[in-house]
Amino acid sequence: DQQVKQNSPSLSVQEGRISILNCDYTNSMFDYFLWYKKYPAEGPTFLISISSIKDKNEDGRFTVFLNKSAKHLSLHIVPSQPGDSAVYFCAASQGGSQGNLIFGKGTKLSVKP
Amino acid sequence: ETGVTQTPRHLVMGMTNKKSLKCEQHLGHNAMYWYKQSAKKPLELMFVYNFKEQTENNSVPSRFSPECPNSSHLFLHLHTLQPEDSALYLCASSQKTGGFEQYFGPGTRLTVT
Repeated sequence: DQQVKQNSPSLSVQEGRISILNCDYTNSMFDYFLWYKKYPAEGPTFLISISSIKDKNEDGRFTVFLNKSAKHLSLHIVPSQPGDSAVYFCAASQGGSQGNLIFGKGTKLSVKP
Repeated sequence: ETGVTQTPRHLVMGMTNKKSLKCEQHLGHNAMYWYKQSAKKPLELMFVYNFKEQTENNSVPSRFSPECPNSSHLFLHLHTLQPEDSALYLCASSQKTGGFEQYFGPGTRLTVT
């Protein structure tokens, strides 16, 4: 059973608009969440993370929101750029030295000029 | 070289062959990982090494044999693979084990014929 779910396999957005990528998790013990971005023929690259003690973390055009009660997080990209077109993976962990990263299946974002 | 490198980038092998995948990290990290990414599936953690010691084997078949001679190098030895083992094999490293940011290599695209 998947502990981290990205229910939208793909998302298409117009350049300049907001992209919202969603992620749900089932394990209430998860306390650290990460987003990775992956271009074709490259490995995933770390984008942004959030600890469960926060509900928002912002880094430039990227903001991650965490709703612990709903076990839901989202990544907002504003404004979206064609170079943001990639597969985005959500990952979660229990943090600390005992946890491992559990990844979702990914959402393919296409930003159209 | 910077970051995490993997060789070869592409590999085609028959079911009776023996081959090895190589990973090297230039980040001074102490933990290294092997992941498998199959189409339409989440990244699957295979092995974890911490200071050269294997700390996790996620029920991986014995036809996959990891080796970690030092904290900077990680190998995955392959023998008598099956066609269903065809996938992208990703290596990652992190400062320490646990659910923290991991840095990925570009992966080896493996095809078993």
